[in-house]
Amino acid sequence: AQTVTQSQPEMSVQEAETVTLSCTYDTSESDYYLFWYKQPPSRQMILVIRQEAYKQQNATENRFSVNFQKAAKSFSLKISDSQLGDAAMYFCAYRSGGDQFYFGTGTSLTVIP
Amino acid sequence: GAVVSQHPSRVICKSGTSVKIECRSLDFQATTMFWYRQFPKQSLMLMATSNEGSKATYEQGVEKDKFLINHASLTLSTLTVTSAHPEDSSFYICSARRQRPYNEQFFGPGTRLTVL
Repeated sequence: AQTVTQSQPEMSVQEAETVTLSCTYDTSESDYYLFWYKQPPSRQMILVIRQEAYKQQNATENRFSVNFQKAAKSFSLKISDSQLGDAAMYFCAYRSGGDQFYFGTGTSLTVIP
Repeated sequence: GAVVSQHPSRVICKSGTSVKIECRSLDFQATTMFWYRQFPKQSLMLMATSNEGSKATYEQGVEKDKFLINHASLTLSTLTVTSAHPEDSSFYICSARRQRPYNEQFFGPGTRLTVL
């Protein structure tokens, strides 16, 4: 079974600064997708960024970018110019070939004004 | 983006009763939907894969007789928690897969179940 590990239960960042959230995963599949989701207090899952495993280029989405290291099975999220609205729970997720999502345990991000 | 709804958003029931939660894809057809549960301050755990017109596939450790899943149409999947007990209290989230224009999934807003 696929496992996703987020080793940082909590992180904090000063507003306008940069923060990196870590994620590692374990799989024997060669074709998969990786995601970062944000879950604010409303509990609605919001897609932040996605990465196809076959693409070597790291995905970017405005202030959000990833560092995808396939051989190391590492997939970290960098948030630049952090804003108060970025405060939330962040989940790293692996999507298998069967389309099931497997989530990490989450990182609670606090943005300090 | 595509919209997935869940109903109800909150439900409180007595122990021993059954509760049905609906997951609908509002503007696309979803042959596959997924059900997750999330305990407070914990991650989402995949419970089952719901396939339109066929039996659901349950993850290891999930009681299929306890959590009945029906996917009778291309836009609706239901999760019924049978004979609910307090330990079934949780946040239940569904996702729906849209295959065109490309394979993508969208999450519903979740249903909070409280069993007294």
